[in-house]
Amino acid sequence: QKEVEQDPGPLSVPEGAIVSLNCTYSNSAFQYFMWYRQYSRKGPELLMYTYSSGNKEDGRFTAQVDKSSKYISLFIRDSQPSDSATYLCAMRIMNRDDKIIFGKGTRLHILP
Amino acid sequence: DAGVIQSPRHEVTEMGQEVTLRCKPISGHDYLFWYRQTMMRGLELLIYFNNNVPIDDSGMPEDRFSAKMPNASFSTLKIQPSEPRDSAVYFCASSLPNIQGPIETQYFGPGTRLLVL
Repeated sequence: QKEVEQDPGPLSVPEGAIVSLNCTYSNSAFQYFMWYRQYSRKGPELLMYTYSSGNKEDGRFTAQVDKSSKYISLFIRDSQPSDSATYLCAMRIMNRDDKIIFGKGTRLHILP
Repeated sequence: DAGVIQSPRHEVTEMGQEVTLRCKPISGHDYLFWYRQTMMRGLELLIYFNNNVPIDDSGMPEDRFSAKMPNASFSTLKIQPSEPRDSAVYFCASSLPNIQGPIETQYFGPGTRLLVL
């Protein structure tokens, strides 16, 4: 079983819809959870991060962590065509000496 | 700042040839990372440096891969000899010193698309 699982998509939703992106993981030692956004032919960029279970909101984006289920989610409200990208979940055990383990990413298309 | 600069942006080579990828991190960043991204394996960390010193190279797949950072503004990733399975997008990223706690913002370059025939 891979450490981090993420559905590759593609996921196509109409503009304005709520988008739900998800990852599952197997290592219960992961403590820090991140979401990266990667536009086509660009490098990933950090979108949000959170620590411990619960929700974190930043504008139209909400990151949710459920450690008991080893499940994390990213919600995008009022989705825009500019949100079309690949979204990668990522996680780390403790500190900067630990590797960040990335999911393979979910391709998202927001249809105008 | 121009961001992380990588060259070349595209590289096509034949199996057995030496490939050298180059990276210039953002000025003032003292962490530098090399990643490889493929559809099959996703984004994988190959090696990272702190203050020009390699810290963790456990992700380097084989002895055919080597990385150097001779100074704070330049790093290379070399593959010798190259093989078709090395075809991937190789990203370089850099980040600031450890003042942000466990989560640091890594700034990625645009990547080098490598195709080994």
